[in-house]
Amino acid sequence: AQTVTQSQPEMSVQEAETVTLSCTYDTSESDYYLFWYKQPPSRQMILVIRQEAYKQQNATENRFSVNFQKAAKSFSLKISDSQLGDAAMYFCASRQGGSEKLVFGKGMKLTVNP
Amino acid sequence: DGGITQSPKYLFRKEGQNVTLSCEQNLNHDAMYWYRQDPGQGLRLIYYSQIVNDFQKGDIAEGYSVSREKKESFPLTVTSAQKNPTAFYLCASTKSGSGGNYGYTFGSGTRLTVV
Repeated sequence: AQTVTQSQPEMSVQEAETVTLSCTYDTSESDYYLFWYKQPPSRQMILVIRQEAYKQQNATENRFSVNFQKAAKSFSLKISDSQLGDAAMYFCASRQGGSEKLVFGKGMKLTVNP
Repeated sequence: DGGITQSPKYLFRKEGQNVTLSCEQNLNHDAMYWYRQDPGQGLRLIYYSQIVNDFQKGDIAEGYSVSREKKESFPLTVTSAQKNPTAFYLCASTKSGSGGNYGYTFGSGTRLTVV
């Protein structure tokens, strides 16, 4: 069975600084996909970034990038130049290839200080 | 604009009553999901459906029921058998058979409170 672990329940960062959110996962499959979702106070879940396990290159979306360490089963999210609007809950998730189920970690609350 | 609509946004239920949460999508997605979100618990899967007239239990299906009579709609009924129904409920959908590359599209959620 898939599991996703986010060990830090809360973090804070100063505006304009960089922060890294950690995530580890466990799966027996070789074909899988990883995601980071953001949930702001509105509670709307927003897809931030995705990574295919078969790709060695780390995914990047503007100020968001991942550090995908396949052997260590680690999938951290780096937010550069943090903005006040980045304050939210962040969820790491995984989905096995051929499966329709997305498994989520318990989430991490990010605070951005002005 | 395509998306997922959940209604109502807030719902109050008396103990012992059944209540149905609505989820409608116009994305032409085959697969739909219901998640429950509690503080510190993340998102837990209640039920999911990959095709019309078919659905599967997730990790916490007890006390819930669903139907999938139309591709666009996947309502969730919280029955009186659900011991602790107060929570935030999220509906999601995705392209089916996509190989997993796509994440989910989420609705804006329904906050259910038992009074």
